[in-house]
Amino acid sequence: GAVVSQHPSWVICKSGTSVKIECRSLDFQATTMFWYRQFPKQSLMLMATSNEGSKATYEQGVEKDKFLINHASLTLSTLTVTSAHPEDSSFYICSAIQRSISAGYGYTFGSGTRLTVV
Amino acid sequence: TQLLEQSPQFLSIQEGENLTVYCNSSSVFSSLQWYRQEPGEGPVLLVTVVTGGEVKKLKRLTFQFGDARKDSSLHITAAQPGDTGLYLCAGVSGTYKYIFGTGTRLKVLA
Repeated sequence: GAVVSQHPSWVICKSGTSVKIECRSLDFQATTMFWYRQFPKQSLMLMATSNEGSKATYEQGVEKDKFLINHASLTLSTLTVTSAHPEDSSFYICSAIQRSISAGYGYTFGSGTRLTVV
Repeated sequence: TQLLEQSPQFLSIQEGENLTVYCNSSSVFSSLQWYRQEPGEGPVLLVTVVTGGEVKKLKRLTFQFGDARKDSSLHITAAQPGDTGLYLCAGVSGTYKYIFGTGTRLKVLA
C-alpha cells in the first residue's frame, strides 16, 4: 500500500529558530500533499495544500510567511516553521493522495511530527 | 465554511458494550471517510463511503452514509480495549481537500 514517511518524528527547538519537517511519498507520486496541525486531544486542522511545482494554498488564518511550504518534487513536500515560538508547539501531520485517484480513496498520512519550542 | 460535527466528543464504556458515533454537517459531501488515530501517530483510514444510504461493515464496525450525504455514523458492536482511540470522520466535496470532523475520543475499559 501507499506509504508516507514524515521526518523527524519529534523535534525540540529554541524559540526564534526555524524547523523543517519533511513529508515523502515512498512508493507513489503525489502531486498534492496536505499539512495539518493537531492540538492535544483535538481534531486535525488543515493548514495548507501543497502543490508540486507551484505555490501552496493556505487556509484562512494560517500565516504563509511563518509556515513555508515547498513541494519541489512529486515525492517530497517540506514544511518550515520559521522563527518558532512556544505557541507553535504542536503535532504536525502531512498526508498525500496519489496522482490518479477517484472518490473513495483516502489520504495516506505520515506518522506526524511533534514540535516543542522552548 | 464547511463543518463536520461529531458526537459525542468523549465516550468511556466497558468492554462488550455497543456504541454509535455520529458525524453531521449541513454540507453535502461526495464521499466521507472514517479514521482512527492512536496517540502520537497519524490517522489510519477505516472506511470510505460514497453513495447516499450506503452501509459498510468492517468486522465489528458498521458505517453508514446518510441518504443526503450530509451525515454518517459509526457503530461498534461489543467494543474491545483495542478499539480505544480518536475517531475522525472526514468529508470531501469536489476537490481532494478533506475537512475533518471534530473528533470522538473513545476509551474502552477492560
